[in-house]
Amino acid sequence: EAGVTQFPSHSVIEKGQTVTLRCDPISGHDNLYWYRRVMGKEIKFLLHFVKESKQDESGMPNNRFLAERTGGTYSTLKVQPAELEDSGVYFCASSQQGILQETQYFGPGTRLLVL
Amino acid sequence: KQEVTQIPAALSVPEGENLVLNCSFTDSAIYNLQWFRQDPGKGLTSLLLIQSSQREQTSGRLNASLDKSSGRSTLYIAASQPGDSATYLCAVGSSNTGKLIFGQGTTLQVKP
Repeated sequence: EAGVTQFPSHSVIEKGQTVTLRCDPISGHDNLYWYRRVMGKEIKFLLHFVKESKQDESGMPNNRFLAERTGGTYSTLKVQPAELEDSGVYFCASSQQGILQETQYFGPGTRLLVL
Repeated sequence: KQEVTQIPAALSVPEGENLVLNCSFTDSAIYNLQWFRQDPGKGLTSLLLIQSSQREQTSGRLNASLDKSSGRSTLYIAASQPGDSATYLCAVGSSNTGKLIFGQGTTLQVKP
């Protein structure tokens, strides 16, 4: 069974440009999460999808970040325009929907560097 | 606001030692607690998930305990091996949406 995949693995862009990150969850997982780790800090929650609906977007830093999950399959996270402080590692995770909260399986992350 | 702390930040032990990694959280109203391992430049690998109604979980040489009343969890690694060298992360599920709140991690080095 394929795990969570993320694309690209690395991205280097200039301040003011736009970057779109993609996440493909494990097949059949309704829950999809985005997290990020900026330099020297702990991993922080950004948002949570259940299928195509945003369940919790309390961690999104500002309106330069836009996440979508069309059709409840893969998800994209767009940063527009990117700022220096957006540099970090962006992780995607997925889990099954159930009565008890299930294990979250993480992707390898996208390493974003904004110059 | 839930805060998760992991102590120590780094740990170096000789191969074969049993060791304990600590995780504490400020709000005992949690749904679950998950331990992860992260190798340099890689993603997170789930090790153990403890639901709030459970006291411990075991997988091979790993044993994780949960004491909600004191806001603590420990990850016990038996007979450590050089391949156990990695950063270990504790994450608390504090809402019914599954959102995880992470500690900063403990970087473990097991010397041959």
